[in-house]
Order: sequence, then structure tokens, then C-alpha cells
Amino acid sequence: QQPVQSPQAVILREGEDAVINCSSSKALYSVHWYRQKHGEAPVFLMILLKGGEQKGHEKISASFNEKKQQSSLYLTASQLSYSGTYFCGTDSGGSNYKLTFGKGTLLTVNP
Amino acid sequence: KAGVTQTPRYLIKTRGQQVTLSCSPISGHRSVSWYQQTPGQGLQFLFEYFSETQRNKGNFPGRFSGRQFSNSRSEMNVSTLELGDSALYLCASSQGSFETDTQYFGPGTRLTVL
Repeated sequence: QQPVQSPQAVILREGEDAVINCSSSKALYSVHWYRQKHGEAPVFLMILLKGGEQKGHEKISASFNEKKQQSSLYLTASQLSYSGTYFCGTDSGGSNYKLTFGKGTLLTVNP
Repeated sequence: KAGVTQTPRYLIKTRGQQVTLSCSPISGHRSVSWYQQTPGQGLQFLFEYFSETQRNKGNFPGRFSGRQFSNSRSEMNVSTLELGDSALYLCASSQGSFETDTQYFGPGTRLTVL
């Protein structure tokens, strides 16, 4: 089932912070975060694995609450380049693992 | 290193035809995954190939198929095209399993079915 992202859209001024949430109804093995700018391919931001391992960029942080099946992406001191649509992809593990993506959160950073 | 490349970038077909899309992964990457992106359904997983074997498959009909060659290049085929197949088709490569490794996406192939 598709994870639910919130908010659907957010507008920030440069320097402000934002939190994007991703919630699943299924137990999760991993959560993946991507950013996609209009007309471009998605770009990897972060992988959070069950057990606490994280792989990602230094300037972006995220959390993964395995019990609540939720993940949050934290964008601090936003820059204009942060604008884009943020997707979370969830994977429940098992033999037929696959990424199921949320509908995305549109982030707009204004000067 | 060169990034993931996809050909062609744009394609126009008519209903009932078939189409083959190509993806060349980053050198050294063994996993190639395919995704369909549409405004209505968003980003949806099609399948993953690893070392020439399909490892995982999403919820798409059998008209969607793929393969991977020994050099890790992958092709995706859609037979008997329908209007609803119009979408951006993205491929992504990773060194190991995409479940735990970073995926790098290609620019996509924009397919329009008339």
C-alpha cells in the first residue's frame, strides 16, 4: 500500500526549516527519500534501514520510527535549491521487496 | 563516471503497437530497476534486474516485460500499448540491491501513446 506523505505542499522562505512526514500502514524494512525537480529525474537523498543504519547526505537528516512505521525528513536552513517534490519510498522487505512511493510533497523555497 | 543513460528520450506510438526502451546503468552497477511515473499514480515500481535475473516485480500486467544483458544494460518492453501507458519511464541503477543501496536515476523516456 502507498505510504502517506504530509504535508502535500509547503512554502518556505530561505533559511526556514521544514519537516516532511511519511507514514505506512505496513511494517517497514527501509525508507528511501528522493527529491525531484520539475522535468528532472529523482535524486537520492537518504536511506533509512530497520535497525538504525542510515545512508545519505550530510546536510539532510531523517528519522525512522520502526514501531510507528513512520519516517520524517528534516530540512534545516532551507536554500533555494531545496525546492522540488520530495518522495518517500517504503519497502517492507521479504523476498519480493519493492519500493512503494508516496504521492510526494511539493516544497517551494522563496527568497 | 558517466551517469545512467536512457534511450530514446521521447517516443510517440499508437495503441496496439509495442515499444522497447533501453537503459545503460552506471559502470559497475549490477542492479537496474524500472519505474513508471504518471501525474495520477505517481512513481510506481515495475521490476528489478540483477545479474541478468529478474528479482522483483511490481503490480503491472504481463504486457510489461524486461531483460538484462551480461553488461548490465537493460531493456523494457511494452506490448499492445494502451492509452494509459503514456508516462515517463525511469530506470535506476545501484551497485547492489536497491533495497539498501543508493539508486541513481536516468533522465527517463517520455512515452506518448495516441
